[in-house]
Amino acid sequence: EAQVTQNPRYLITVTGKKLTVTCSQNMNHEYMSWYRQDPGLGLRQIYYSMNVEVTDKGDVPEGYKVSRKEKRNFPLILESPSPNQTSLYFCASGRASDNEQFFGPGTRLTVL
Amino acid sequence: DQQVKQNSPSLSVQEGRISILNCDYTNSMFDYFLWYKKYPAEGPTFLISISSIKDKNEDGRFTVFLNKSAKHLSLHIVPSQPGDSAVYFCAASERGSARQLTFGSGTQLTVLP
Repeated sequence: EAQVTQNPRYLITVTGKKLTVTCSQNMNHEYMSWYRQDPGLGLRQIYYSMNVEVTDKGDVPEGYKVSRKEKRNFPLILESPSPNQTSLYFCASGRASDNEQFFGPGTRLTVL
Repeated sequence: DQQVKQNSPSLSVQEGRISILNCDYTNSMFDYFLWYKKYPAEGPTFLISISSIKDKNEDGRFTVFLNKSAKHLSLHIVPSQPGDSAVYFCAASERGSARQLTFGSGTQLTVLP
């Protein structure tokens, strides 16, 4: 089944404790991206990657890191999480040739 | 400043009637528009899109209309079904930046049986 998977789905952590949210897609998509969803703000892009070893900042990159060492994986790293990073995070992937993006199920992160 | 706005946080319609969801944008560089549907505990799924060279695109019960002069688009669902109850997000991308989507804040549609 073609899909984007994220792990974990739920995470509660404390301020300053480094964490990684994994994202993997099995559709051989070139493009991958991370978004956060907050009430009243919709989805805002954090980082995106057009291909392996190519990453770029989105609209809200502060406090996040990403890497794209393999085509299928695009982990989101929070080196020192803070409470304002409490949010619902979505990973997405897509073909380089069109606009449609396929989203993962989301990761709900709470930073205490 | 939000470049894509969905001013109605929620909308309720009766089953069988038309649902009209609205979206306004401010960036004149946007040239491609998409609608996504999101159920609770799931990621958004693509619904329908439209390029700025068109003013209408249809896919079954779903039609998107684009009014470039007013910087406005709308999604029509006819007839509405209870399974259409979800949050609908409007998204837009700029010429040359097709991979960067700017999303609206979403509209919760409830279709009443």
